[in-house]
Amino acid sequence: KAGVTQTPRYLIKTRGQQVTLSCSPISGHRSVSWYQQTPGQGLQFLFEYFSETQRNKGNFPGRFSGRQFSNSRSEMNVSTLELGDSALYLCASSLNAGLDTQYFGPGTRLTVL
Amino acid sequence: GQNIDQPTEMTATEGAIVQINCTYQTSGFNGLFWYQQHAGEAPTFLSYNVLDGLEEKGRFSSFLSRSKGYSYLLLKELQMKDSASYLCAVRMFGANNLFFGTGTRLTVIP
Repeated sequence: KAGVTQTPRYLIKTRGQQVTLSCSPISGHRSVSWYQQTPGQGLQFLFEYFSETQRNKGNFPGRFSGRQFSNSRSEMNVSTLELGDSALYLCASSLNAGLDTQYFGPGTRLTVL
Repeated sequence: GQNIDQPTEMTATEGAIVQINCTYQTSGFNGLFWYQQHAGEAPTFLSYNVLDGLEEKGRFSSFLSRSKGYSYLLLKELQMKDSASYLCAVRMFGANNLFFGTGTRLTVIP
């Protein structure tokens, strides 16, 4: 079974631009969570989607948003990029929500110049 | 809120045993996970504990004490490829998201 896939793998943007990242979960998995990883802060939770609904949201500004489609694929969007948004963005999928193990994708490395 | 502590760095010798500790303070605890992350790669799942006790999986074991807010990951017969960051993460009731510690970078030396 294929793992979690994320596109693109690398991205370079400039301040003020916006970006959309994509995540395809493991086949059959319905829950998708997004995390931001930086050297200083470690892995921090952004939001979780289950059955096209946002179930949970971390402590990030409204510039960070996401959505999930009927096939469980998910996208996250960051508007008005700031230098501090440079990070590895990781997507994790699980079968359902609340009891199952999360499996991570390879991540998208975003660099904001 | 949640507070999860792990040592920042550890060094151990090939063939030895190493124990990586994790302490946490949280309400509504619903499980503790350990992930391994090699530099530049995604975290990979190692183990999950929700009840007190030891879970063994080959060379890796994980222990949990809920009353003490304490877990450890035990790696036996260390290999060079075990050099990586080890992330401790906690999940709460009613949520599927994980709260991560900052990770322990393990270096295995010959």
